[in-house]
Amino acid sequence: GQNIDQPTEMTATEGAIVQINCTYQTSGFNGLFWYQQHAGEAPTFLSYNVLDGLEEKGRFSSFLSRSKGYSYLLLKELQMKDSASYLCAVRDGNKLTFGTGTQLKVEL
Amino acid sequence: KAGVTQTPRYLIKTRGQQVTLSCSPISGHRSVSWYQQTPGQGLQFLFEYFSETQRNKGNFPGRFSGRQFSNSRSEMNVSTLELGDSALYLCASSADRGDTDTQYFGPGTRLTVL
Repeated sequence: GQNIDQPTEMTATEGAIVQINCTYQTSGFNGLFWYQQHAGEAPTFLSYNVLDGLEEKGRFSSFLSRSKGYSYLLLKELQMKDSASYLCAVRDGNKLTFGTGTQLKVEL
Repeated sequence: KAGVTQTPRYLIKTRGQQVTLSCSPISGHRSVSWYQQTPGQGLQFLFEYFSETQRNKGNFPGRFSGRQFSNSRSEMNVSTLELGDSALYLCASSADRGDTDTQYFGPGTRLTVL
């Protein structure tokens, strides 16, 4: 079976750093994706990890520990436009299984 | 390159009717996946098509079906609609070139069943 857990909601201040965690227990693993989804819009790809370690992409970084079944998305220098839902997804073969998403609210 | 397109964007149907949704993948992408998104369940995988063949299937009843054409465009069909089928239906395409393959999503079709 597949089980992916993320916090439901988080609140952070503009300019701050926030870390969104994702833990997973899946029967297969070919990589972990993070997507951002603004209300009423399609999910957009943020990052992909298949090996342990940190991947950095501008203000966004993603970390993976396969032995712990754990990933996090780190957002730096938060902006109001970062208010969105962040979805963690595990790939098994050609299939993606998503967590229910973390709704991030950025406040002034 | 144009992104993934889905038609229609919005649809209102009544219980018992059937509906067909369409998805055109990014040019050159051969894999198309379909997802249902609801507030309570999040994004749930419906099925994936590659080269006109269903390659993976999620845990949805047989009322949900799909197909893929030779140009990689895909359709999904839901028969005998139920109120619980009201959702955002998202299509995603990928190039299917290995483990780094990324799925890119279309804007979705918002289906409301009355």
